[in-house]
Amino acid sequence: EIVLTQSPVTLSLSPGERATLSCRASQSVSSYLAWYQQKPGQAPRLLIYDASNRATGIPARFSGSGFGTDFTLTISSLEPEDFAVYYCQQRSNWPLTFGGGTKVEIK
Amino acid sequence: EVQLVESGGGLVQPGGSLRLSCAASGFTFSSYNMNWVRQTPRRGLEWVSYISSSSSTIYYADSVKGRFTISRDNAKNSLYLQMNSLRDGDTAVYFCTRDWRDWGQGTLVTVSS
Repeated sequence: EIVLTQSPVTLSLSPGERATLSCRASQSVSSYLAWYQQKPGQAPRLLIYDASNRATGIPARFSGSGFGTDFTLTISSLEPEDFAVYYCQQRSNWPLTFGGGTKVEIK
Repeated sequence: EVQLVESGGGLVQPGGSLRLSCAASGFTFSSYNMNWVRQTPRRGLEWVSYISSSSSTIYYADSVKGRFTISRDNAKNSLYLQMNSLRDGDTAVYFCTRDWRDWGQGTLVTVSS
């Protein structure tokens, strides 16, 4: 099973700041890495698939990069609605696995 | 508009069974692979099971293999998860998802005596 480790666990930032979230895989997942945003009481929302492709309707301030074992989600300038928990997911190997999440909170 | 609506959750005793349903609308259900995912505060998001559009390919997480059965009825636009021999650790909110882009609102399963 591929283990995804997200860091940091919590990121305290102010609106307008840049957020950089990391996801590291225990073995290569090629580019089969996705990012989700989740707010309390809601289902996860797909942001990025295949490491760097924005899903439909996702603002350009969200970008993904990486290949193999190291991936990054960047939010260029935080909007108030971006404060949430972010998860990475690998779709390279069964079983599919998720990271433990990074909470982006208001500083 | 794509809609996925889960139902069938509830309180069940350890060892009991539940059948979850996911009613799909707004798209050609028979063309899409589907997944079940669950979430707990402690364990976070956990993929549970996958079924291909024609039901020809099915996968399970090791934690549910042999106890859970995924199925679908394309004529009824519905996805199912039969859960048997339920354990405390199966307590979670269960989501169905289409292609990872569209998700239901989730249904809560609580396993407790």
